[in-house]
Amino acid sequence: DAGVIQSPRHEVTEMGQEVTLRCKPISGHNSLFWYRQTMMRGLELLIYFNNNVPIDDSGMPEDRFSAKMPNASFSTLKIQPSEPRDSAVYFCASSFKLAGGPGELFFGEGSRLTVL
Amino acid sequence: GQQLNQSPQSMFIQEGEDVSMNCTSSSIFNTWLWYKQDPGEGPVLLIALYKAGELTSNGRLTAQFGITRKDSFLNISASIPSDVGIYFCAGQGRIVNQFYFGTGTSLTVIP
Repeated sequence: DAGVIQSPRHEVTEMGQEVTLRCKPISGHNSLFWYRQTMMRGLELLIYFNNNVPIDDSGMPEDRFSAKMPNASFSTLKIQPSEPRDSAVYFCASSFKLAGGPGELFFGEGSRLTVL
Repeated sequence: GQQLNQSPQSMFIQEGEDVSMNCTSSSIFNTWLWYKQDPGEGPVLLIALYKAGELTSNGRLTAQFGITRKDSFLNISASIPSDVGIYFCAGQGRIVNQFYFGTGTSLTVIP
């Protein structure tokens, strides 16, 4: 079975450029999460969607970050304009959870972003 | 966002030794998850726990869901070199579909 698929795996860009990261969740999952991982701050939740609707975006650093989920099988995380401090590994993860029920979270392999 | 207290932060052990790490929270969780992350890869789910007091094994790994629902531990028996990596705990509440992660335990196994 295909897991969570992320692209690109690596991105090197210059400060000020727009960056778009893509994610395809596991088929049938109803929740999608974007995380950022750095040595200093560990895994930080940026935003999550439930049934394609953004539920909590309080972790999005600032207005330069935006995320969309136009359908159940695709999501994007966009940074515009990018800054060197955005350099990190960005993970997408998905889960299937019913209200009041348990859920398991499955991660993609991550997109390593370097902003020069 | 909320982070769980995970300890120890790092461990250096000899091959064949047992390993124990734990995670505590100020909040009650309904689900505890344990992950392993290899360099350059995403975290991979090892064990999922759903009931207070539950003890679950996966090969040489054993994890328990604390009775208070505010803690969990992971044991690895007879460690081998491929156990090297960073281990994360994660907790999830009943209603809010959000997962909170520990700060990670870096495990080094010396052959």
